[in-house]
Amino acid sequence: AQSVAQPEDQVNVAEGNPLTVKCTYSVSGNPYLFWYVQYPNRGLQFLLKYITGDNLVKGSYGFEAEFNKSQTSFHLKKPSALVSDSALYFCGVREAGSYQLTFGKGTKLSVIP
Amino acid sequence: EAGVAQSPRYKIIEKRQSVAFWCNPISGHATLYWYQQILGQGPKLLIQFQNNGVVDDSQLPKDRFSAERLKGVDSTLKIQPAKLEDSAVYLCASSHPTSGTDTQYFGPGTRLTVL
Repeated sequence: AQSVAQPEDQVNVAEGNPLTVKCTYSVSGNPYLFWYVQYPNRGLQFLLKYITGDNLVKGSYGFEAEFNKSQTSFHLKKPSALVSDSALYFCGVREAGSYQLTFGKGTKLSVIP
Repeated sequence: EAGVAQSPRYKIIEKRQSVAFWCNPISGHATLYWYQQILGQGPKLLIQFQNNGVVDDSQLPKDRFSAERLKGVDSTLKIQPAKLEDSAVYLCASSHPTSGTDTQYFGPGTRLTVL
């Protein structure tokens, strides 16, 4: 069975500092990995995904994520945080050949001015 | 391009009542998903349609939940009768199907409160 772990319920970072939101996954085969962001009273908004190829994936709003197969991780990063990045972030995994996308429980990011 | 539309945005009902949610996916997206997101948790897939056929409903509580997508476009999700633990946000998503690498696009959700 596939699963996702987001070990931090909340991450606080000062505006202008780099941010990292952690995600580890477990699948039997090859993983397809996704990051979504959720603002209050809104649906999930797609940020980026890893399917194959370059381990560093660049996405929307300056976010990027690095796929690390040996550590089964897909951490979300941004070089310089903005207050407007404050939101709930979800990591998702889908095993190759499976239709089901499994999400982690989410990490609340707070960027402090 | 218009996004995924859902209605209503909010619904409050008493336990044992019935409720229905509606979803209109992005034009041309053949795959449609319904998720349940309980407060403090990530979304959980309830059912997935490919056109008007069910691909996966393994996590749908079939004794009280039902969903249909009769013409392969709009979809409705129904709960009958509702329980207190059904209080959640119900998210609809759609994607252009490929091989599992397709991106799912989500609607704003319907927040259900069961009293």
